[in-house]
Formats: sequence, structure tokens, C-alpha cells
Amino acid sequence: NAGVTQTPKFRVLKTGQSMTLLCAQDMNHEYMYWYRQDPGMGLRLIHYSVGEGTTAKGEVPDGYNVSRLKKQNFLLGLESAAPSQTSVYFCASILTGGGTEAFFGQGTRLTVV
Amino acid sequence: DQQVKQNSPSLSVQEGRISILNCDYTNSMFDYFLWYKKYPAEGPTFLISISSIKDKNEDGRFTVFLNKSAKHLSLHIVPSQPGDSAVYFCAANPYGGSQGNLIFGKGTKLSVKP
Repeated sequence: NAGVTQTPKFRVLKTGQSMTLLCAQDMNHEYMYWYRQDPGMGLRLIHYSVGEGTTAKGEVPDGYNVSRLKKQNFLLGLESAAPSQTSVYFCASILTGGGTEAFFGQGTRLTVV
Repeated sequence: DQQVKQNSPSLSVQEGRISILNCDYTNSMFDYFLWYKKYPAEGPTFLISISSIKDKNEDGRFTVFLNKSAKHLSLHIVPSQPGDSAVYFCAANPYGGSQGNLIFGKGTKLSVKP
């Protein structure tokens, strides 16, 4: 019962470095999402995908890129990390739209120094 | 501008009493609402939802009420237990379900004291 798995769980980057966060789900869900959570800000949508090979921008997409080459994986990339990207990142998946339940990963805590 | 608002950052209640968490929204096109619970160092987990065609949904100790005219929903937990201590997020689906995107409030931290 893996559900949604995020890799890595923690990471410290220097300003300007790049990295990729991996989200994998084993529930055959169509829709996948990347959110960031900041103190006092709730969860804000970065990018999302409604199916393999498709991606779209969310509320706060700047500085991030994503790819959905395989249905089960959704990658979030930071090309040149900035301190403002220090946050906790959550991946989520939903079987389809229609207000159904979203399943979240355990989060990735990223610190950019 | 926030479309989903949880105006109380925190709430403290005594074990056994009722906890009432509130949420307001601004977009009348929202038609599905969800509550998520989050413990520290874990991802949010789904708690309960309600469609705009209903005004109440109940699941055990948890009940969500929806007042469409006031654009307001609330989560009632009765009786509250110490294990309910967590951050609760209200979320709304803004696209009639077609995209599944959820817009979240900032959360309310509930503390249930023994």
C-alpha cells in the first residue's frame, strides 16, 4: 500500500543549484499535482497534470518545471534554486476530476541557502 | 485574493467537547468542498467532503455543514479527542470537477486538551 511516494524527504541546496523532486503513485491515478506549503500560506498549487504527457501551470509556477513522461511519475524540477523556494513540497494524485479525494505524499522539506 | 478563507489560525477545545472549524469561500462556482487533516511531518489526509447539492454530510464524529447562500462551511467534531489535534485545511474544487484542482485555505490548528 505505497500510495503516493515522494523522493527525497529532505534536501538542502545552495542558491543556484538544481534538483528534481520525484513523485510516484501506484494507484493508476490520472491526475497529479505539486503543491508547496509555507507557514501561514496553506497549500498552493505549483503545477499539475491531467494525464501522461500533459502538464499545466498552477497558482505559483515560476521557477519550477514539471514532466509527466509516465503515468505513475510526476517530476518537479528547480533549475536554479532560490531561497524563496525554501518550503515543504507535497505531491498529490486523484483518480479523475469530479471532486474525488486527493491522496498526498509525505512531503519533501527543501531548504535553499 | 484568497478564494478560500479560514480566518481562525488556531482553536483550542477540551476533550469531549465540540470543535467547530469554519471556512468561507468567495467563488459561487465552487461546487465541491473537502476537509483535510494534517499531522506534523506528514502529508494531508482526506477527512470528509460535501457536494454543493447537499447542506450536510456526516461521517462518524465528523459532520460538515454547507451554507451556500452565505458561502460558508463548517466542520464539527463531536466529541473531540486528543488525537484530533492537527491542522485542518478546507479545500474547494473550482472547476466543476473537471480538473480536480483544489484551492486550499491557510488551515486551522486544532488543539484538543485532555
